[in-house]
Amino acid sequence: QVQLGESGGGVVQPGRSLRLSCAASGFIFSRYGMNWVRQAPGKGLEWVALISYDGTNAYYADSVKGRFTVSRDNSKNILFLQMNNLRSEDSAVYHCAKDRAPIFGASMDVWGQGTTVTVSS
Amino acid sequence: QSVLTQPPSVSGAPGQTVTISCTGTSSNTGAGYALHWYQQLPGTAPKLIIYNNNNRPSGVPDRFSGSKSGTSGSLAITGLQAEDEADYYCQSYDTSLGASYVFGTGTKVFVL
Repeated sequence: QVQLGESGGGVVQPGRSLRLSCAASGFIFSRYGMNWVRQAPGKGLEWVALISYDGTNAYYADSVKGRFTVSRDNSKNILFLQMNNLRSEDSAVYHCAKDRAPIFGASMDVWGQGTTVTVSS
Repeated sequence: QSVLTQPPSVSGAPGQTVTISCTGTSSNTGAGYALHWYQQLPGTAPKLIIYNNNNRPSGVPDRFSGSKSGTSGSLAITGLQAEDEADYYCQSYDTSLGASYVFGTGTKVFVL
């Protein structure tokens, strides 16, 4: 069964850091690009970052560029999101999502349930 | 920042057909990049229901169909059912700020 499970969310003060993890199972993790997508309370979906299947290329939304870093460990089937210098506007549920196909523009066919990040003093 | 525009809400009675539009720009759908659609039921993760403009993943009812022409696309739900009440988002690839993915503004479907 194909599954993604996020962890690492919590309450953090502005300016601090947090690291999210996403454990994958049921598919060959090392063959697919992986994404982070967030959803602020009562708001729509916002794409955050994409990392290529082998981890050599990463892409970011302008809103997080320079503060967030996406990485992966293909030997352990885990995706990470390092979030630094957090702001209140980063408060959201963070989902990891798998690219359906190994091409740019692919849809996201598997999603985790998400982990909640709250940035507040 | 969404660059795909959707109507905030649409509604229909059970059995009717509703259509949700998604309008992009020359840096995403207008450049030929595919459009995908997701359904998000309250309190759950999004679910892919249409990929590459008009393809349904296995298990998605054929009541859901998609189309795309130029900078715009649409999702149609025929034979509307109560369980279709949810938020729907379109998504594409965008090159205006380098490589990135973009989601639509989202549409709430109400079943009357």
